[in-house]
Amino acid sequence: SQKIEQNSEALNIQEGKTATLTCNYTNYSPAYLQWYRQDPGRGPVFLLLIRENEKEKRKERLKVTFDTTLKQSLFHITASQPADSATYLCAPASGGSYIPTFGRGTSLIVHP
Amino acid sequence: DTAVSQTPKYLVTQMGNDKSIKCEQNLGHDTMYWYKQDSKKFLKIMFSYNNKELIINETVPNRFSPKSPDKAHLNLHINSLELGDSAVYFCASSQDPGREDYGYTFGSGTRLTVV
Repeated sequence: SQKIEQNSEALNIQEGKTATLTCNYTNYSPAYLQWYRQDPGRGPVFLLLIRENEKEKRKERLKVTFDTTLKQSLFHITASQPADSATYLCAPASGGSYIPTFGRGTSLIVHP
Repeated sequence: DTAVSQTPKYLVTQMGNDKSIKCEQNLGHDTMYWYKQDSKKFLKIMFSYNNKELIINETVPNRFSPKSPDKAHLNLHINSLELGDSAVYFCASSQDPGREDYGYTFGSGTRLTVV
């Protein structure tokens, strides 16, 4: 069955450092992959989309990579700030329905 | 302006009751969705709906039914509520998946507690 794995342990980093979050998937050939941010008590907020023919996508301090051979996406936040503290969700989608399936998310905590 | 709004934010009800959650989007999106987030924080698709097609996740009990009076609204009706239905329910909408900035816009969620 399709599986999406994100590190269940919280990632703690110091302000100003680069945070790197990992998303691995199995039994899946996604046409694209989205990343979302979710704060406690709120709905997920869309951040970035990367397609299967793209290796890397950037938006301001965010960078996403997509390796279809490794079946992995990495999400980077450079110059991290305490306001970046949240849960980050990976959501790959197949080309049929284009409906993303969400991973459980990784909690990021940025310490001042 | 709230892009995707759902009501109520909290809903506490007894087992066996029937309840509805309302959702409205003012983004002009063609497709709307209902997701369920359980206690383990997994977000699972329940329904996807546009004016052409309803896609139902086959694992969703038929006690759950979406109702769409128009393109901007997708309500969720739940009959004979069970304890296991307790979760946070999110409404979302999206535009054409071919767009470069294709992403889902979520509402703030409805926390349903069945007692």
